Amino acid sequence: QQPVQSPQAVILREGEDAVINCSSSKALYSVHWYRQKHGEAPVFLMILLKGGEQKGHEKISASFNEKKQQSSLYLTASQLSYSGTYFCGTESYGSNDYKLSFGAGTTVTVRA
Amino acid sequence: DGGITQSPKYLFRKEGQNVTLSCEQNLNHDAMYWYRQDPGQGLRLIYYSQIVNDFQKGDIAEGYSVSREKKESFPLTVTSAQKNPTAFYLCASSNRGASRTDTQYFGPGTRLTVL
Repeated sequence: QQPVQSPQAVILREGEDAVINCSSSKALYSVHWYRQKHGEAPVFLMILLKGGEQKGHEKISASFNEKKQQSSLYLTASQLSYSGTYFCGTESYGSNDYKLSFGAGTTVTVRA
Repeated sequence: DGGITQSPKYLFRKEGQNVTLSCEQNLNHDAMYWYRQDPGQGLRLIYYSQIVNDFQKGDIAEGYSVSREKKESFPLTVTSAQKNPTAFYLCASSNRGASRTDTQYFGPGTRLTVL
């Protein structure tokens, strides 16, 4: 089952912050965050493995609440280059196969 | 340079024709995947392979077929049985270590248009 991302879209001015959420109905082993520019391949940002873990990539960080089965991506002091669609991919417990279920994506538009 | 290549970038086919999309990786990854992406939607898994000569259906395998004869290659055939094949197709690969800390890396994609 696919994770649910919110919001579907967000518009920011340069320097503003935003939060993207990813929730699953299944117990999660890991959450993977990607950013995709229009017509291009998704680019890996970060992976979160443990409950409460936080990671960062430049001014983009994320948290993973294993108990709540959700992850949040934080865009801090946004730059024009942050525009794109952000996807979370989740790996659930209980499967021997390594595969990810992806959310529908959150489109971020950063304006000057 | 290590990476994943997909060819061609754009592909046009007539309705009723089978078409094969290429995916090659030189990352020495064991696992390879095919996803379909429609406008405004996320990635849906078509097929995946964890090892050579073995593959499994994903969520939307109907109308597609794959083979995995070599570690570095995982071609996808879109058959005439696929009712709505026009989409953006992405190939990915990954190591599958015991620690499960590896992510999936994507190729540049093939945009298939069926006329």
